[in-house]
Amino acid sequence: DGGITQSPKYLFRKEGQNVTLSCEQNLNHDAMYWYRQDPGQGLRLIYYSQIVNDFQKGDIAEGYSVSREKKESFPLTVTSAQKNPTAFYLCASSISTGGLTDTQYFGPGTRLTVL
Amino acid sequence: GQNIDQPTEMTATEGAIVQINCTYQTSGFNGLFWYQQHAGEAPTFLSYNVLDGLEEKGRFSSFLSRSKGYSYLLLKELQMKDSASYLCAVVENSNYQLIWGAGTKLIIKP
Repeated sequence: DGGITQSPKYLFRKEGQNVTLSCEQNLNHDAMYWYRQDPGQGLRLIYYSQIVNDFQKGDIAEGYSVSREKKESFPLTVTSAQKNPTAFYLCASSISTGGLTDTQYFGPGTRLTVL
Repeated sequence: GQNIDQPTEMTATEGAIVQINCTYQTSGFNGLFWYQQHAGEAPTFLSYNVLDGLEEKGRFSSFLSRSKGYSYLLLKELQMKDSASYLCAVVENSNYQLIWGAGTKLIIKP
């Protein structure tokens, strides 16, 4: 079955530690995205990548980093510089962002809690 | 500036019809998405509108008026499983990134 997987589902981290969230897709999609979801707010874009070895900052990239070494994988690192990291993190992918409006498909999410 | 407005919460009865509105103000427009999100789960795609009018897909329909900056999602024959949040997202012209509303939490009562 094609889809997007995120792991782990729940993640706990101590203040001052970096943590990496996994996102893998086997849909052969070119574009991948990371969003953060907080109660009462819309999804906010952290980073996106249109192609391997290239990525762009979204609206709230500070305190986060990503890599895109393989088409299937787009891990997100939440660094200790992120002031308020406790949130629900969603990864998504779409066929392409090359001038077309493509539907984004989401993974199940990772709920990160900083203790 | 960019702004997407949706009601925070709505309540409806099983078997009834409900309309969830979304108004937007963006610098450009290249379509509007509706997603459904059950609590703690991923958003799932419901519809995409780029032209004015109503698009029907089973029990769900979505309407768009570009001149009014307005869309709605119409859910018919409501079922308990329709209890979820419904997210409206607009595609701006400039970079094809989505601008998301905060979502409408729909509560279905028996």
